[in-house]
Amino acid sequence: AQRVTQPEKLLSVFKGAPVELKCNYSYSGSPELFWYVQYSRQRLQLLLRHISRESIKGFTADLNKGETSFHLKKPFAQEEDSAMYYCALRSGAGNMLTFGGGTRLMVKP
Amino acid sequence: GAVVSQHPSWVICKSGTSVKIECRSLDFQATTMFWYRQFPKQSLMLMATSNEGSKATYEQGVEKDKFLINHASLTLSTLTVTSAHPEDSSFYICSASLKRDTEAFFGQGTRLTVV
Repeated sequence: AQRVTQPEKLLSVFKGAPVELKCNYSYSGSPELFWYVQYSRQRLQLLLRHISRESIKGFTADLNKGETSFHLKKPFAQEEDSAMYYCALRSGAGNMLTFGGGTRLMVKP
Repeated sequence: GAVVSQHPSWVICKSGTSVKIECRSLDFQATTMFWYRQFPKQSLMLMATSNEGSKATYEQGVEKDKFLINHASLTLSTLTVTSAHPEDSSFYICSASLKRDTEAFFGQGTRLTVV
C-alpha cells in the first residue's frame, strides 16, 4: 500500500530564509507526486505536481526516486507562504490521492 | 480552475439523526468524486470513491451503511451520515476531477458537529 510521510508537523522560518518541507513516500509502482496548499480559511488547492517540473510561487519540488522523496523548496520564504502544505501521491488506479500528514509553515516577519 | 462546491459548509445535528452533505462540480462533469475526512490537526483520509451511476467504493474500515454515498449525476455526489454520533464530528471534504489523471479540485469542506 502507498504511504506518504511528512516528518515535520510545524516548520517556522523567518522571512527571506530558505525553506524545505520534507516528503517521503512508499509506493511499489510509478508514483505521481503533488504538493497541495491550504491557506487559512481557504480550500485545498494544487501547488505543483512533479510531472510539470515547474516553479509555482517560487516553490519547486524534485522527485528523487532513489530516496523516495519529493521535498518542497523555496529559496526565500515570504509571509504569505504561511499555510498548511500537504504532499500527496496518486496511485495508478484513477485519481485516488493519498495524503501526508501535512506541515504547517509559519513565516515570521 | 474548476470549482467544486459543498453544501452545507457547517452543520450541527443531534445524535441519532442523519445529515446529508452535497458535493457539486459547478462548471464541469465529474465521473468520479472522492470523499475525505479530516480530524483536527490531522491529514485527509480517503473514505470512499464515488462513481457516477454505480456503487461507491469504500476504503477499509469505513462503514458503508453508516456513510451512504450517492452519485446520481455527473455533477452531484452526496454523503449521508446516518444515525450520527458525536464521534462522527469531523471535517468532510470532497474532490472531483475533470477526467482521469487530471488535477483534482477540492470543495471547501463541511464541518459536521454532532451533539
